[in-house]
Amino acid sequence: DVKVTQSSRYLVKRTGEKVFLECVQDMDHENMFWYRQDPGLGLRLIYFSYDVKMKEKGDIPEGYSVSREKKERFSLILESASTNQTSMYLCASSLHGRGTEAFFGQGTRLTVV
Amino acid sequence: GNSVTQMEGPVTLSEEAFLTINCTYTATGYPSLFWYVQYPGEGLQLLLKATKADDKGSNKGFEATYRKETTSFHLEKGSVQVSDSAVYFCALSDAGANSKLTFGKGITLSVRP
Repeated sequence: DVKVTQSSRYLVKRTGEKVFLECVQDMDHENMFWYRQDPGLGLRLIYFSYDVKMKEKGDIPEGYSVSREKKERFSLILESASTNQTSMYLCASSLHGRGTEAFFGQGTRLTVV
Repeated sequence: GNSVTQMEGPVTLSEEAFLTINCTYTATGYPSLFWYVQYPGEGLQLLLKATKADDKGSNKGFEATYRKETTSFHLEKGSVQVSDSAVYFCALSDAGANSKLTFGKGITLSVRP
């Protein structure tokens, strides 16, 4: 069974903390993505990676960075958490190629207080 | 850049009613088109897809046809069930190999008995 695993379902952090969200996939996928999901705004792409050590900014990269040192792991980093980063964060992965399906993790609900 | 526009929600229907959820897109080239579904408390999963003009994707009684002339990919189901209550997202991926996924805002469907 294919799997994308996010390290936490719920997380509460303080303003100004450095926050790491981890995502691991076991499908040998080249592409990995981080989205945030907010009511009325849908899914917005933060960053994606199409290979190890490769990354591209998505639509809302400000305040975030990413790391992909190994093919199966893609980390999202909030350098200095702020309350407007309170959200649901979704990780996904897919194979290279046209029309390939993306597989999603369960999401991490992050609250910044 | 690429964009996906979905009709405004939420949508509430009675069981066995006909469902249409509109989706239009803006993209360069020939994107692939998707519908993803998010059931309550779960992650996103692929419902159906189409990768070229006039293709019809179908799954679980849902259908959508890739209409290049109207840049649309409307989702339809002839008879909805209570178990179809979920959030539905239209999405597209680039024509290139890296398959960056762009989502619409999503629409919540509630089906009452």
